[in-house]
Amino acid sequence: GQNIDQPTEMTATEGAIVQINCTYQTSGFNGLFWYQQHAGEAPTFLSYNVLDGLEEKGRFSSFLSRSKGYSYLLLKELQMKDSASYLCAVLDSNYQLIWGAGTKLIIKP
Amino acid sequence: DGGITQSPKYLFRKEGQNVTLSCEQNLNHDAMYWYRQDPGQGLRLIYYSQIVNDFQKGDIAEGYSVSREKKESFPLTVTSAQKNPTAFYLCASSGPGDNQPQHFGDGTRLSIL
Repeated sequence: GQNIDQPTEMTATEGAIVQINCTYQTSGFNGLFWYQQHAGEAPTFLSYNVLDGLEEKGRFSSFLSRSKGYSYLLLKELQMKDSASYLCAVLDSNYQLIWGAGTKLIIKP
Repeated sequence: DGGITQSPKYLFRKEGQNVTLSCEQNLNHDAMYWYRQDPGQGLRLIYYSQIVNDFQKGDIAEGYSVSREKKESFPLTVTSAQKNPTAFYLCASSGPGDNQPQHFGDGTRLSIL
């Protein structure tokens, strides 16, 4: 079967750095997405990786290793507004999105 | 502004009733999707449509129905056959290309009275 694993919950301090990991086992791979979702709201697109390496976008960076079935989202200079769930999703061989359950990130002052 | 509009934001259903959730987009996207989100689980695909007048079942289509008569609109009906309909329902659309990100509406929270 297809599976995406993310930690259920993480806590970090305002101003710090946090890394949210995502491991996947899917039938094929055509890219990996990260989304941010505040409670009760719509997911919003953060990043897309299809090649190995690090993609940086402001305070957020996303890394992919296809050989390891692994990605992480790195958030720097954490702000209180970064408190949200972070969803990892993989595009499989049929170009269907397989979603992880999400990681709830709690930011403390 | 372009975007996806879902209505209503909250919906209550009595046992045995069908209810329809609205999803409208003005992004000129061909592809549209319906997901269900339950606590502690990833988004699960209910139905999707790649083009007007055509749609396919997702992983959990039983108890749901859709139509795609217009490019802008993709309503979802939750039928009385859906035994556990209480959930957060999200509609999404995406532009041309298989690896385009999906854009989401604000969701509809459905509860059973």
